Amino acid sequence: GEDVEQSLFLSVREGDSSVINCTYTDSSSTYLYWYKQEPGAGLQLLTYIFSNMDMKQDQRLTVLLNKKDKHLSLRIADTQTGDSAIYFCAESINDYKLSFGAGTTVTVRA
Amino acid sequence: DADVTQTPRNRITKTGKRIMLECSQTKGHDRMYWYRQDPGLGLQLIYYSFDVKDINKGEISDGYSVSRQAQAKFSLSLESAIPNQTALYFCATSDSVRQGGEQFFGPGTRLTVL
Repeated sequence: GEDVEQSLFLSVREGDSSVINCTYTDSSSTYLYWYKQEPGAGLQLLTYIFSNMDMKQDQRLTVLLNKKDKHLSLRIADTQTGDSAIYFCAESINDYKLSFGAGTTVTVRA
Repeated sequence: DADVTQTPRNRITKTGKRIMLECSQTKGHDRMYWYRQDPGLGLQLIYYSFDVKDINKGEISDGYSVSRQAQAKFSLSLESAIPNQTALYFCATSDSVRQGGEQFFGPGTRLTVL
């Protein structure tokens, strides 16, 4: 995951918004992804954004992409206890490979 | 039933032992992957396979081997396990990453090498 960087921890109060940030290095990445990993489970795709878009919204999730700065963010509105998990940013390196960040552990406190 | 299954879910073994981790999928995907996850390092690609006859090394293939027995089955072997192979191992499948295709992950196998 050295090509994709994200902060390791985020603590947020229930009901507030969470913002998870990610930077990537490959300017040719076509797709950028956010995966969620709940305790004891594998990764599940939350959302992805095509590189020619700068924003994508899906219910409580908003993805922002700044291609110039190679910066990707995931905003979760009205954060709930069920949103506690590890969130991975990933970029598509080529036709088969995803490069993952180290993951951000989000803890939602009451 | 889960689309991607892994067995075993947990395994404790000793240094020098041979270990096989198995993965099965019902997605009908051609592409299958093995990753390892270490705390603070994210996921690293060990091996990937485009079909039964096409197997390729990933970033960290040393000490590992794989076998694609059928489209639906992809196993990972540690011929002689060592303690620094203690990690969480994930199998995944996909159609194609480039077209925005999702990678579907199994639940993971937690391997401890003593």
